[in-house]
Amino acid sequence: GENVEQHPSTLSVQEGDSAVIKCTYSDSASNYFPWYKQELGKRPQLIIDIRSNVGEKKDQRIAVTLNKTAKHFSLHITETQPEDSAVYFCVISQGGSEKLVFGKGTKLTVNP
Amino acid sequence: GAVVSQHPSWVICKSGTSVKIECRSLDFQATTMFWYRQFPKQSLMLMATSNEGSKATYEQGVEKDKFLINHASLTLSTLTVTSAHPEDSSFYICSASTRNRGQSQHFGDGTRLSIL
Repeated sequence: GENVEQHPSTLSVQEGDSAVIKCTYSDSASNYFPWYKQELGKRPQLIIDIRSNVGEKKDQRIAVTLNKTAKHFSLHITETQPEDSAVYFCVISQGGSEKLVFGKGTKLTVNP
Repeated sequence: GAVVSQHPSWVICKSGTSVKIECRSLDFQATTMFWYRQFPKQSLMLMATSNEGSKATYEQGVEKDKFLINHASLTLSTLTVTSAHPEDSSFYICSASTRNRGQSQHFGDGTRLSIL
């Protein structure tokens, strides 16, 4: 079945540093790759997404890169701030459908 | 835009009780709604997919007679946990998508269900 591996499971950085989270997947039919941020007890919030026909996308301090051939994609957060602390999930579309498969999450802690 | 409302946000009830959770898309018509379950410190696991006017499609291992899903309109889906037991305690989250927005899913605030 579809599988998405996410690393690291926890990440601690100093304020102002960059954070990188990496994911690999096995379903070659996946064509949509969103990233969600979830604070404790709250809803997942879409922070950025990328589709398979694009290799990189940036939105202010957040960027995502996709290597469809190698089946991996990464989230980059620059100039981290304490409010970036949360759990981040990489997600793939299952077989290119509307169904989403979530990675296990990365708990990011930004220390002031 | 793309606001999804979920109600209630928190439920505590006795074992054996049935609990209904509502998921509404407030400012768009949701062609598809999804129900997820999230245990503490774990990821979201898809339980079922529902399309308006048709039967829900359940993921492997999810009991359809235990988790009843109704998607009566383009703005409302409900999940009923029947005869709930302590092992059903979890965080249940719905999401909604519409063809106009591609594969993007917009999540509700979730319902924390505690069965005593």
